[in-house]
Amino acid sequence: AQSVTQPDIHITVSEGASLELRCNYSYGATPYLFWYVQSPGQGLQLLLKYFSGDTLVQGIKGFEAEFKRSQSSFNLRKPSVHWSDAAEYFCAVGAGNQGGKLIFGQGTELSVKP
Amino acid sequence: GAGVSQSPSNKVTEKGKDVELRCDPISGHTALYWYRQRLGQGLEFLIYFQGNSAPDKSGLPSDRFSAERTGESVSTLTIQRTQQEDSAVYLCASSFYPRETQYFGPGTRLLVL
Repeated sequence: AQSVTQPDIHITVSEGASLELRCNYSYGATPYLFWYVQSPGQGLQLLLKYFSGDTLVQGIKGFEAEFKRSQSSFNLRKPSVHWSDAAEYFCAVGAGNQGGKLIFGQGTELSVKP
Repeated sequence: GAGVSQSPSNKVTEKGKDVELRCDPISGHTALYWYRQRLGQGLEFLIYFQGNSAPDKSGLPSDRFSAERTGESVSTLTIQRTQQEDSAVYLCASSFYPRETQYFGPGTRLLVL
């Protein structure tokens, strides 16, 4: 069965430091992969997505993610974190042969120290 | 509308009562999804509608849960005989087509006392 694992429940980084959030997936076919961000009181916002092609994907707010098929990973990165990046981050895999429903990871909560 | 809207934004109900949650997708989006987010957890898929096809109900947790969609517009999620474990945020999303980017509504926060 499809699944997504985000190993880090909570991460704290200093403002200006680099960030990497881990995501591993289990899916039999070529996956569609997404990163969403959820800020307090806000809805889910798409950061970036991978469907095919270049394995390094650029998103909004300076985020990027790299699809590594051999490692079944889709880690999210940002070179310099801003205080406004504090939020909950969700990785998801699209079950493409089942109509596009998303399987989400448990989320990683990001705190940013001044 | 500009985005996916959901109503009510908050709902408090007593155990055993029925509730209806509404979702208005983005105009022109053919696919509509319902998810549930329990406190501190990720989103769980509930049900998916695509055009006139039979919905994918594989994520509904029990027969107390049901959903309808009228054409390619409004959807309602109904929970009968609510239980305390049904307390969660219920999120609706829509997309132009399956596998395209899903746009989420703000959710309905349900509390069952």
